[in-house]
Amino acid sequence: GQNIDQPTEMTATEGAIVQINCTYQTSGFNGLFWYQQHAGEAPTFLSYNVLDGLEEKGRFSSFLSRSKGYSYLLLKELQMKDSASYLCAVRGSPGAGSYQLTFGKGTKLSVIP
Amino acid sequence: KAGVTQTPRYLIKTRGQQVTLSCSPISGHRSVSWYQQTPGQGLQFLFEYFSETQRNKGNFPGRFSGRQFSNSRSEMNVSTLELGDSALYLCASRPGYSGTDTQYFGPGTRLTVL
Repeated sequence: GQNIDQPTEMTATEGAIVQINCTYQTSGFNGLFWYQQHAGEAPTFLSYNVLDGLEEKGRFSSFLSRSKGYSYLLLKELQMKDSASYLCAVRGSPGAGSYQLTFGKGTKLSVIP
Repeated sequence: KAGVTQTPRYLIKTRGQQVTLSCSPISGHRSVSWYQQTPGQGLQFLFEYFSETQRNKGNFPGRFSGRQFSNSRSEMNVSTLELGDSALYLCASRPGYSGTDTQYFGPGTRLTVL
């Protein structure tokens, strides 16, 4: 099975940098996804990591260490519109059962002026 | 390209009733997954369909079922509704059935059971 942990809530200041951590234990691994979800809306895709290292996409970056079962999402130059929940999700592998995505419970980020 | 669409967007039912939710994937996408989202449990996987076949199923009772049609559209059904079934039901589609495909979510159906 899969177990995914991320902090429940975080607060950061507009213009600052924030790092949201995600740790996981899995019986199969086919990549880690980050999604953003604004209140009352659908999750939207942010990033996908399957190999170790950092993936940068504009103000957002995501890092993966498979040996440590660890990922983080880095948000730079925070804007008020970044206030949302950030969901970490791990995809399993058929050898461990399926390709299904297992989600963490999400980190609610509040950006304050 | 149009995104994933779900109907209806909001639904109110009473205990014991049944409900059917519909999902139309992004054009060309052949895999559809369903999730239940509640404040306490977060996003929980219900099932995934690819080429009209259920490929995976989450840990939900048999009251939750689904199907996929030849045009990749999918429906999920919940029978004998319980208060605890009140949730946001999200559908997500992806192009195929591989390890690297990205899932894209629809806006969800908000189900309230009274």
